[in-house]
Amino acid sequence: DVKVTQSSRYLVKRTGEKVFLECVQDMDHENMFWYRQDPGLGLRLIYFSYDVKMKEKGDIPEGYSVSREKKERFSLILESASTNQTSMYLCASSPRDRVTYEQYFGPGTRLTVT
Amino acid sequence: AQTVTQSQPEMSVQEAETVTLSCTYDTSESDYYLFWYKQPPSRQMILVIRQEAYKQQNATENRFSVNFQKAAKSFSLKISDSQLGDAAMYFCALTQGGSEKLVFGKGMKLTVNP
Repeated sequence: DVKVTQSSRYLVKRTGEKVFLECVQDMDHENMFWYRQDPGLGLRLIYFSYDVKMKEKGDIPEGYSVSREKKERFSLILESASTNQTSMYLCASSPRDRVTYEQYFGPGTRLTVT
Repeated sequence: AQTVTQSQPEMSVQEAETVTLSCTYDTSESDYYLFWYKQPPSRQMILVIRQEAYKQQNATENRFSVNFQKAAKSFSLKISDSQLGDAAMYFCALTQGGSEKLVFGKGMKLTVNP
């Protein structure tokens, strides 16, 4: 089974802190994604990475950056956390086979910024 | 740009009955994939069913089936013999043209009443 894990289920940070959210997948997938999930807004793509060191902005990249130094790991960085970044963050991965397009999701990190 | 619309934010169904979740989409692509994902409370998002646009036959997976109306750009999910474990958020998603990214709808909360 594909496994996508995220470093924390719940995280509480203070305004202005630098926050790292980590995601690891064990299926050798080329593609990895970071989404933000808010009630009534669905899932919105923050960043997408299609290979090591490669990244592409999603729909809402402002205030976020990412790092992908190894194929299995994709980090989301909040340079200076703000209260409007309080949300559920979901990581996903998929193979670059252009056959299934199925994304496999992690359990999510619920981040609260106070 | 591709869009996905789930117009009903919430629905409820009695256990053992059938429920249909609606989804409409817009895309200029001729080749695309559609998905229904399920997110149970406090659990990981998982794929329920996938439909390739070039296939005329509606996809089915056990109690889950879709009604894919390509001309109408409609993609509804039918859950037969509803079970308590079907209670979840359901998201409709569409591949973005030429990309492995997905566009998600805002989601719909399904409650199953015993």
